[in-house]
Amino acid sequence: DAGVTQSPTHLIKTRGQQVTLRCSPKSGHDTVSWYQQALGQGPQFIFQYYEEEERQRGNFPDRFSGHQFPNYSSELNVNALLLGDSALYLCASSWRTRGDTDTQYFGPGTRLTVL
Amino acid sequence: AQKVTQAQTEISVVEKEDVTLDCVYETRDTTYYLFWYKQPPSGELVFLIRRNSFDEQNEISGRYSWNFQKSTSSFNFTITASQVVDSAVYFCALSEAGANSKLTFGKGITLSVRP
Repeated sequence: DAGVTQSPTHLIKTRGQQVTLRCSPKSGHDTVSWYQQALGQGPQFIFQYYEEEERQRGNFPDRFSGHQFPNYSSELNVNALLLGDSALYLCASSWRTRGDTDTQYFGPGTRLTVL
Repeated sequence: AQKVTQAQTEISVVEKEDVTLDCVYETRDTTYYLFWYKQPPSGELVFLIRRNSFDEQNEISGRYSWNFQKSTSSFNFTITASQVVDSAVYFCALSEAGANSKLTFGKGITLSVRP
């Protein structure tokens, strides 16, 4: 049973560039959430996708956007990169259950460095 | 607004010692969920336990135990007879009720277990 996978593992970009990160959910899961984890901090919620729509969004600017595909995989796009966007980006998947909260399982993350 | 406080930042113990990681949370919701995740040096967040707000029964699983007390808004985690492999960053997280609500994390506690 494959867990959550993310690609790439590491990425180095320069300020102003754009980046796309990818996530494949755990088998059987249909919901993908993205988190940003700065060094020494806890993960911060960016947004969540279900049925190819953004369902919840955290306090992140519009430079952060996403997409979910029919096979439930997801992409996180960040435009006009800033130095402060350097972080570990974590993807989590879960199964949406009405009236309850499913456990989110995390992938290994993508380490983004902005120079 | 939800908030999770992990007042301890770093804990260092000698192997076989017991160690307790503290977590205090704030929420206005009457139904909510609490989680503990472990993040080893590899970076992937590993799910440990989930608790519903209406289930205050404490749990023991092998060397791990959890103490949930609504009266003090605390959800503490104890490792008995710690091992070097327990060295990691431990995060407490909170989620409101409802389908796949976002996780609000604390800043994490770095646990170092010395041989």
